[in-house]
Amino acid sequence: DTEVTQTPKHLVMGMTNKKSLKCEQHMGHRAMYWYKQKAKKPPELMFVYSYEKLSINESVPSRFSPECPNSSLLNLHLHALQPEDSALYLCASSLTSGLFFGPGTRLTVL
Amino acid sequence: GESVGLHLPTLSVQEGDNSIINCAYSNSASDYFIWYKQESGKGPQFIIDIRSNMDKRQGQRVTVLLNKTVKHLSLQIAATQPGDSAVYFCAENGERDDKIIFGKGTRLHILP
Repeated sequence: DTEVTQTPKHLVMGMTNKKSLKCEQHMGHRAMYWYKQKAKKPPELMFVYSYEKLSINESVPSRFSPECPNSSLLNLHLHALQPEDSALYLCASSLTSGLFFGPGTRLTVL
Repeated sequence: GESVGLHLPTLSVQEGDNSIINCAYSNSASDYFIWYKQESGKGPQFIIDIRSNMDKRQGQRVTVLLNKTVKHLSLQIAATQPGDSAVYFCAENGERDDKIIFGKGTRLHILP
């Protein structure tokens, strides 16, 4: 298995909802990432997990809560989001160098 | 302002010609650089990478050139094909290897 999978593909949520994004890889990669991408902009780094421990938090608001239950799974828990949080959320993994991205979850916050 | 950020730089190239996409990076501490291709509706796809101890690296139809003196990176695509149409991002590792930061991106448009 040589890919990163993300579910759901699309998500629409209200500002009071709680939802979660899921990411999975079975390549034995030990680093996993969350990026946020707005239209016509580059991906922006949010969080990095290394060996299942949070190693980077790029000053992301607490309404985004990452979780790494094991070396293959990465979640992003969402609560009380704002319309400006609407974006493509990309998960990536890495063994030593270079990132391998999933297809992303297109999130719309109403 | 925000309106400027909405417009990606675009490079239009005739099918069959070579494409050169440029990137200026900002962090002198960066020693690892990557080019990604992103097609519409997909995640970024790794194309080629280079470490700072090299100034050139070749892949299949692609070449990356690194000029550390002027902090410039370029991606050359030989014999451009319609399937090369995408947005191309350069990325660098900044002050740590696990912190990959993306540049602004260039849209490559292939003319028939």
